[in-house]
Amino acid sequence: EAGVAQSPRYKIIEKRQSVAFWCNPISGHATLYWYQQILGQGPKLLIQFQNNGVVDDSQLPKDRFSAERLKGVDSTLKIQPAKLEDSAVYLCASSLGLPGPETQYFGPGTRLLVL
Amino acid sequence: AQSVTQLDSHVSVSEGTPVLLRCNYSSSYSPSLFWYVQHPNKGLQLLLKYTSAATLVKGINGFEAEFKKSETSFHLTKPSAHMSDAAEYFCVVPPNRDDKIIFGKGTRLHILP
Repeated sequence: EAGVAQSPRYKIIEKRQSVAFWCNPISGHATLYWYQQILGQGPKLLIQFQNNGVVDDSQLPKDRFSAERLKGVDSTLKIQPAKLEDSAVYLCASSLGLPGPETQYFGPGTRLLVL
Repeated sequence: AQSVTQLDSHVSVSEGTPVLLRCNYSSSYSPSLFWYVQHPNKGLQLLLKYTSAATLVKGINGFEAEFKKSETSFHLTKPSAHMSDAAEYFCVVPPNRDDKIIFGKGTRLHILP
């Protein structure tokens, strides 16, 4: 079974530039999550999709961050414009949507450095 | 509200010696508890979970954790550390018995040769 795929794996940009991350979940997984993990901290949930609808985006900084999952499969997370404090690893996870956090499978992450 | 506290941000042990990573929880009911591991440049992986069955839970890679209600603890242990155990470890409790995960700051485990 293929895991959660993310690209790119690394990205370096200057502040005020835009950047986009891509996630392809495990086939058949209806629920998709984006997390932000700042160095030295645990991951923080940014947004949760159920198919192509948003379930929870309460911690997404909507003035600069956006995410979409148009066909209910892969997803894109965008930052526009980026700030220095956005430097972090962005993790994507997917699940079948069954109860229990142990059902989430995580991708390797995209490491973003904003200069 | 449910929460966890990982008492050490860094732990260093020599290869072949026991590992102890400490986690205390706060919950108004008997919680589910989980340990995740994050190896460098790899995704988070579920290590083990407690869901009110046996209080001693065995996970992957020789790790285990014991749920102690009297001490509100769920410490992660391994009898003998291996170099491949070097990683970040997260103790997790879902806040609302749903699929949300709230991670703590984690404990970085260093293995000394």
